[in-house]
Amino acid sequence: DGGITQSPKYLFRKEGQNVTLSCEQNLNHDAMYWYRQDPGQGLRLIYYSQIVNDFQKGDIAEGYSVSREKKESFPLTVTSAQKNPTAFYLCASSIKGNEKLFFGSGTQLSVL
Amino acid sequence: GESVGLHLPTLSVQEGDNSIINCAYSNSASDYFIWYKQESGKGPQFIIDIRSNMDKRQGQRVTVLLNKTVKHLSLQIAATQPGDSAVYFCAENMNSGAGSYQLTFGKGTKLSVIP
Repeated sequence: DGGITQSPKYLFRKEGQNVTLSCEQNLNHDAMYWYRQDPGQGLRLIYYSQIVNDFQKGDIAEGYSVSREKKESFPLTVTSAQKNPTAFYLCASSIKGNEKLFFGSGTQLSVL
Repeated sequence: GESVGLHLPTLSVQEGDNSIINCAYSNSASDYFIWYKQESGKGPQFIIDIRSNMDKRQGQRVTVLLNKTVKHLSLQIAATQPGDSAVYFCAENMNSGAGSYQLTFGKGTKLSVIP
């Protein structure tokens, strides 16, 4: 089955802790994205990557970091600098030059 | 600008009736629009898309209408079923010409289907 896999589905963060959300795709897509979704809100772009070893900040990148060492993988680290990390995090991918995004099933991050 | 509060616009529809979900977009330069369906606790699923050189596109039980004059997009669902209950998002994309695409998402509309 081709698709985007996010893990874990639920994640809890302690005060001052960094946590990493995993996103893997086997669609052979060049571009990958991370969005944050708060209750009753639309999706806001955190980071995106058009190609391996390159990524750009989105609208709300502060307190987050990413890496793109492999085409298939785009992990997101929520750092201790992110003071309000509780949200639903969505990873997406797309074919290069195509706007249609394919989403994973999301990770719900909560603060202990 | 962003709206305040956590309340999504809601639409309640009787099973079997048609649903119309509306979306106002912000950028007159946007040239691509897309609708997603999101069920609770899941990621958004693609429904249908449309480019700015069209004003109507049909899929299976769904139709998207684009009115560029008033910057309005609508999603019509025919013969609404209980499985259609979800939050529906519209998104727009402005072609920056740099080969980089960033969709801007609306806040969503919650559709509830009454059996």
